[in-house]
Amino acid sequence: GNSVTQMEGPVTLSEEAFLTINCTYTATGYPSLFWYVQYPGEGLQLLLKATKADDKGSNKGFEATYRKETTSFHLEKGSVQVSDSAVYFCALKNSGGSNYKLTFGKGTLLTVNP
Amino acid sequence: NAGVTQTPKFQVLKTGQSMTLQCAQDMNHNSMYWYRQDPGMGLRLIYYSASEGTTDKGEVPNGYNVSRLNKREFSLRLESAAPSQTSVYFCASSDTSGPPPYEQYFGPGTRLTVT
Repeated sequence: GNSVTQMEGPVTLSEEAFLTINCTYTATGYPSLFWYVQYPGEGLQLLLKATKADDKGSNKGFEATYRKETTSFHLEKGSVQVSDSAVYFCALKNSGGSNYKLTFGKGTLLTVNP
Repeated sequence: NAGVTQTPKFQVLKTGQSMTLQCAQDMNHNSMYWYRQDPGMGLRLIYYSASEGTTDKGEVPNGYNVSRLNKREFSLRLESAAPSQTSVYFCASSDTSGPPPYEQYFGPGTRLTVT
């Protein structure tokens, strides 16, 4: 079945540091890939997405590239801010079929200190 | 445009009590979902509804029932609450009537404690 593995947290960085959160997946076919962000006390918000190999999703300074050869979708940001402190979830949606559910990783807590 | 709304925000139940969590979306989405979020477990799908009038089990359906009341509303019912159902519950919706990727939009969550 489908699965998503993302790096265990928590991750603690200083403001303006470089961020990488690793995400790898197992799925059949060509899944769509997502990063969601959950700020404290809130629901999940879509951060970025990619639907095919070599696609790069980007939003708010975050980027992730769909790498089919390594089955990865790592999240990066060049300079984090305190306001980026949140839990980040990698997720996939399998291609085809009538099952529209997302498979989520367990989440990575990011804390950015001033 | 409120997106996905959930009520209540917080709830405390005693073991054996029942309750219904309400969810509504105003984006005209055809698919809706219920997840639970537990520490270290990520989100796990309880039930989903691909369209009005249909519902299907997800990964962890035991102890829950759902009703897709109309296109806008999708409720989750706990008939006899147990401490293992203490969790944060999220409702989500997506437009699956067109091409992928079918990103989901989430409500703010309901924090449920069962004592």
